[in-house]
Amino acid sequence: GAVVSQHPSWVICKSGTSVKIECRSLDFQATTMFWYRQFPKQSLMLMATSNEGSKATYEQGVEKDKFLINHASLTLSTLTVTSAHPEDSSFYICSVTETAKNIQYFGAGTRLSVL
Amino acid sequence: AQRVTQPEKLLSVFKGAPVELKCNYSYSGSPELFWYVQYSRQRLQLLLRHISRESIKGFTADLNKGETSFHLKKPFAQEEDSAMYYCALSAGGGNKLTFGTGTQLKVEL
Repeated sequence: GAVVSQHPSWVICKSGTSVKIECRSLDFQATTMFWYRQFPKQSLMLMATSNEGSKATYEQGVEKDKFLINHASLTLSTLTVTSAHPEDSSFYICSVTETAKNIQYFGAGTRLSVL
Repeated sequence: AQRVTQPEKLLSVFKGAPVELKCNYSYSGSPELFWYVQYSRQRLQLLLRHISRESIKGFTADLNKGETSFHLKKPFAQEEDSAMYYCALSAGGGNKLTFGTGTQLKVEL
């Protein structure tokens, strides 16, 4: 399966700053990646579908201006949390999808703590 | 809209005992069902999918369309099975997954 690298694994930032999270597919060309958010002891909630070379598709209730997604190449998607606030503190996980097999391979996640 | 329900947050069994992790779904069409597992300090990974109809690490899951269920079973639990298990559904194209809330399986000696 695909090897997915997510960076950073943990970030602490001040309220009002922006944070960028990277998701790299190391051995697989991914036209589609997904971004999830997971609150403590809760399930993964899909935030958006990241499409290489085009705009991301956001799930209902997710602010696209708050969570900027860029998928400029087949191996890299980035999620930028703009003007972060404490309520944005969460665990963010990306995945790479092997479209033909409908299988997702997950990154290790990024824990964001906004002070 | 689709929904996945895992009624048990925690399931504790003794080593060697049978395991059944429950998963029910709601979707009007023909979904594809998956079980993903997350071992301690590791990332989420695919355990099995219903279309493969295979046994992975002794686990099996059968899609029951009548009961809209996809329960995960293993006849004899092992200590290394302790993990968080998520049932997930993919439907409508686009490869998107809807996850259940997960069940923490704890296998005790």
